[in-house]
Amino acid sequence: EAQVTQNPRYLITVTGKKLTVTCSQNMNHEYMSWYRQDPGLGLRQIYYSMNVEVTDKGDVPEGYKVSRKEKRNFPLILESPSPNQTSLYFCASSLNRGGTEAFFGQGTRLTVV
Amino acid sequence: AQSVTQPDIHITVSEGASLELRCNYSYGATPYLFWYVQSPGQGLQLLLKYFSGDTLVQGIKGFEAEFKRSQSSFNLRKPSVHWSDAAEYFCAVGAGDSWGKLQFGAGTQVVVTP
Repeated sequence: EAQVTQNPRYLITVTGKKLTVTCSQNMNHEYMSWYRQDPGLGLRQIYYSMNVEVTDKGDVPEGYKVSRKEKRNFPLILESPSPNQTSLYFCASSLNRGGTEAFFGQGTRLTVV
Repeated sequence: AQSVTQPDIHITVSEGASLELRCNYSYGATPYLFWYVQSPGQGLQLLLKYFSGDTLVQGIKGFEAEFKRSQSSFNLRKPSVHWSDAAEYFCAVGAGDSWGKLQFGAGTQVVVTP
């Protein structure tokens, strides 16, 4: 089954404790991205990757890092989480061409206290 | 840069009634347009998409949307809603120069009453 898998689904952490949210896709997609969803703001792109070892900032990259060492994986790293990063996070993947459909993971609900 | 506006934050509709969700976009060229649905605790599922051609697009779950270039709109409709249609709906725009990136609207929360 074609899917994007995120882990964990829920995470509560303390300010400053480094964490990683994993994302994996099995569709051989070139393009992967991370979004955060906040009430009234919709989804905003954090980082994206057009292929292995190619990553770039989205609209709200501050406080986040990513890496793309393999085509299927695109982890999101919060080196020093802060309460304003409390949000719902989605990983998405798609083919690297215009107008293609994005497939989304189930989401990770992160709370930073 | 492209942008998307969903004017209605919240809509309440009776089961069996029709539903229309509004979406306006701002983009210099013809965009790629999408509607996604997010059920509680779930990820986003694609309802339908428009790239070119026929401006009336059919999607899953009985939804359709119409692209109107003159109004920069891509409104979503369903003739008769079911209780299972209660969810949050997002309109999104994809630009040709940024292949995979989607610009999302703020979303419309749909509540279905008996």
